Amino acid sequence: DVKVTQSSRYLVKRTGEKVFLECVQDMDHENMFWYRQDPGLGLRLIYFSYDVKMKEKGDIPEGYSVSREKKERFSLILESASTNQTSMYLCASSSGGPAGREQFFGPGTRLTVL
Amino acid sequence: AQTVTQSQPEMSVQEAETVTLSCTYDTSESNYYLFWYKQPPSRQMILVIRQEAYKQQNATENRFSVNFQKAAKSFSLKISDSQLGDTAMYFCAFMKQAGTYKYIFGTGTRLKVLA
Repeated sequence: DVKVTQSSRYLVKRTGEKVFLECVQDMDHENMFWYRQDPGLGLRLIYFSYDVKMKEKGDIPEGYSVSREKKERFSLILESASTNQTSMYLCASSSGGPAGREQFFGPGTRLTVL
Repeated sequence: AQTVTQSQPEMSVQEAETVTLSCTYDTSESNYYLFWYKQPPSRQMILVIRQEAYKQQNATENRFSVNFQKAAKSFSLKISDSQLGDTAMYFCAFMKQAGTYKYIFGTGTRLKVLA
């Protein structure tokens, strides 16, 4: 079974702190995604990556950056956390080619910025 | 740009009954994929069912089936014989066939199955 893990289930940070959210997948997937989930807004794509060191902005990239130095790991970085970044963050991965239509999700990180 | 709309923020259904969740979408693409994902409370999101737009036959997976109306751009999910374990957030998602593997998600429907 595909496994997508995220470094923390719950995280509390202070305004202005630099925050790292880590995601690891164990199925050699080419594609990895970071979403933000908010009530009434569904899932919104922050960034995605098709390969190592490759990244593309999603719909809401402002205030975030990403890093993908290894194929299995995709990090989301909040350079200077703000209260409006309090949210649930979901990581997902998928393979390339036809099988890549299904995304596999991690358990999520609920981030609170005080 | 594509959009996905789920007009029912919350629904409830009695155990063993049938419920239908609605999803409409807007696209100028002719080939694409549609999905329903389930997010149980405090658990990971998983794929429930998928539909390729070029297939006329509606997809089914055990108690889950879809009513795909391409002309109307409608993609509803029917859950038969509802079980307590079906309690979850359900998200409808759209993906273009060509190009990226990105999804566009709807805002979700919270379904509660009542004992």
